[in-house]
Amino acid sequence: AQTVTQSQPEMSVQEAETVTLSCTYDTSENNYYLFWYKQPPSRQMILVIRQEAYKQQNATENRFSVNFQKAAKSFSLKISDSQLGDTAMYFCAFRRGFGNEKLTFGTGTRLTIIP
Amino acid sequence: EAQVTQNPRYLITVTGKKLTVTCSQNMNHEYMSWYRQDPGLGLRQIYYSMNVEVTDKGDVPEGYKVSRKEKRNFPLILESPSPNQTSLYFCASSLGTSGNTGELFFGEGSRLTVL
Repeated sequence: AQTVTQSQPEMSVQEAETVTLSCTYDTSENNYYLFWYKQPPSRQMILVIRQEAYKQQNATENRFSVNFQKAAKSFSLKISDSQLGDTAMYFCAFRRGFGNEKLTFGTGTRLTIIP
Repeated sequence: EAQVTQNPRYLITVTGKKLTVTCSQNMNHEYMSWYRQDPGLGLRQIYYSMNVEVTDKGDVPEGYKVSRKEKRNFPLILESPSPNQTSLYFCASSLGTSGNTGELFFGEGSRLTVL
């Protein structure tokens, strides 16, 4: 079974600074997808960024980028120029490349951006 | 607007009183799923459906039932709710086709309290 570990329950950073959220996972699969989801106080689950395991290039979406280390099974999220609207719970998630499209989630990191 | 709609958004009920949380999506997605979110545990899959009349258990199916009679609807049924089912529930859907990158579209969540 796959597991996803987020070792930082809470983090805080000053507005405009850069912050990195850690995520590690365990799997024997070779084909899979990794995701970061954001959950603001509204509780809505919002996809931030996704990474296909077969792609060596790290995914980027505006101020959000990942550091995907397949051999180390590490998938960290970097948020540059952090904004107050980035305050949220962030979940790392894993999905196998086939079959049940279940997402296996980590326990989340609560990020607070300080004005 | 493409969306996943859950109802009710909030519900307080008592032990043993059957309830149904409805879920509907307007994106013609084949795959639908239910998750529950609990503090310190992240999101865990309850049930999923890969197409009409095809459902299967996720990681925490005990105490829940589902049905998929129409493509757009995937209700979650609690036949005899118990306090340990107090949680935040999410319905999610995705295309489900081969090669799909597996992004799940989430509903806004249903906060259920069982007294």
